[in-house]
Order: sequence, then C-alpha cells, then structure tokens
Amino acid sequence: DTGVSQDPRHKITKRGQNVTFRCDPISEHNRLYWYRQTLGQGPEFLTYFQNEAQLEKSRLLSDRFSAERPKGSFSTLEIQRTEQGDSAMYLCASSPTPTPSSSPLHFGNGTRLTVT
Amino acid sequence: GESVGLHLPTLSVQEGDNSIINCAYSNSASDYFIWYKQESGKGPQFIIDIRSNMDKRQGQRVTVLLNKTVKHLSLQIAATQPGDSAVYFCAEKEGGSYIPTFGRGTSLIVHP
Repeated sequence: DTGVSQDPRHKITKRGQNVTFRCDPISEHNRLYWYRQTLGQGPEFLTYFQNEAQLEKSRLLSDRFSAERPKGSFSTLEIQRTEQGDSAMYLCASSPTPTPSSSPLHFGNGTRLTVT
Repeated sequence: GESVGLHLPTLSVQEGDNSIINCAYSNSASDYFIWYKQESGKGPQFIIDIRSNMDKRQGQRVTVLLNKTVKHLSLQIAATQPGDSAVYFCAEKEGGSYIPTFGRGTSLIVHP
C-alpha cells in the first residue's frame, strides 16, 4: 500500500501525559499536512510542511503542540500535557508540488486520540 | 466504529437513485474546490476536484458543478449504491494558498 500511513490508529492517554503520532506520506509527495477532526465536524487545519520546512501553523496549534519533519519524509506531531479537549481524530495528508498549482490532498486514516 | 455523521445534514436515498449533495462557500477568492468521501473510521478520500475556470467536471458516476455567482458547489452521484453511504465534505482553497478549508459535511445514507 503506497498511501499515507499513520501510527498509532488509536491512543488512549491520561490527562497531562505527552503523546506523539507519526505520519508517513506518499513517498514522492513533498507537502505534508496535519488536520484535526472532531465528531460531526470537517477537518480543521493545524500545520503544513514543504519538505522539512514548516510553512504555516494554525491558531489552533497551541504551544503544547509541536510538529516536525526532520528529513522531509515522515512527520511527527507531539502534544504535551494533554487535555480532554485534545480528544479528536488527528489526520495527516500529503500532496505533491503540483503543476498546475492545485492538487488534492491524500489523507491517511488518522490517529484517534482519547484523553481521559 | 467511529461515526462522523452525528448532527450532520443527512440525505437519504434509495439504491439506484441519483444523489445531489450541496455545498455553499463564502470566500470569493477560492479558486480550487474538492469533494471528499469519508467512511466511518477512515480518513477523507478524494473523489473529484474542479478549478474556478470551469463550471462542470465529470468523473465516473460523479459530476461536480460550480456556480461562482452564488458561491455554490454540488456533487451529483449517479445510480447511488449502498457503498456510497458516507459523509461527504467539500473543501475550498483560496488562490495563492496551499491549505484547503473544509465544510461541515453531509451524511449520505443509501437504502437497499
């Protein structure tokens, strides 16, 4: 399977703990995105990378959240001192650098985080 | 499994009928639009896209219509099948941005 891969699929953690999620994009895609989705809502943008550079971050991304893509391939999203409000599905997506300028994002199946 | 259909607008159709899912957008600077299908417990799956210099685009069993005058987008699914049951999201991207913004979604239920 050459799609976007996310690990783990599910994570249950206690409030105050740190968690880290991993995303492996489609190999030839140099843009990588993180979105968050809560029940009944569409995905909300968190941040995106072009290669290893983090180019934009949403206001939703508080200072407890950090994302990295150190070698321009896989990415990690870490949440420190988790809160119950962090419970959501965290989606990763990737896209190529398109010509022409627009290309759809290809999503993984997400990591479902539950903070108790 | 997880349900993403709670509290969403819902469209119920019979198998074999045609379905039309509508989406209103607000940003007149949007130049690229995408429809996604999301099944329970999975990530959004790309269906079809359209650029703002077009008003219609057809795929296999799906057609997207874009009306820029009233900022309206629709997804038509021909001969709807039970496997089409899912939540459908439209997404828009502003010119010069690389970040699609998603709408709230519509739950499509297909009855056999």
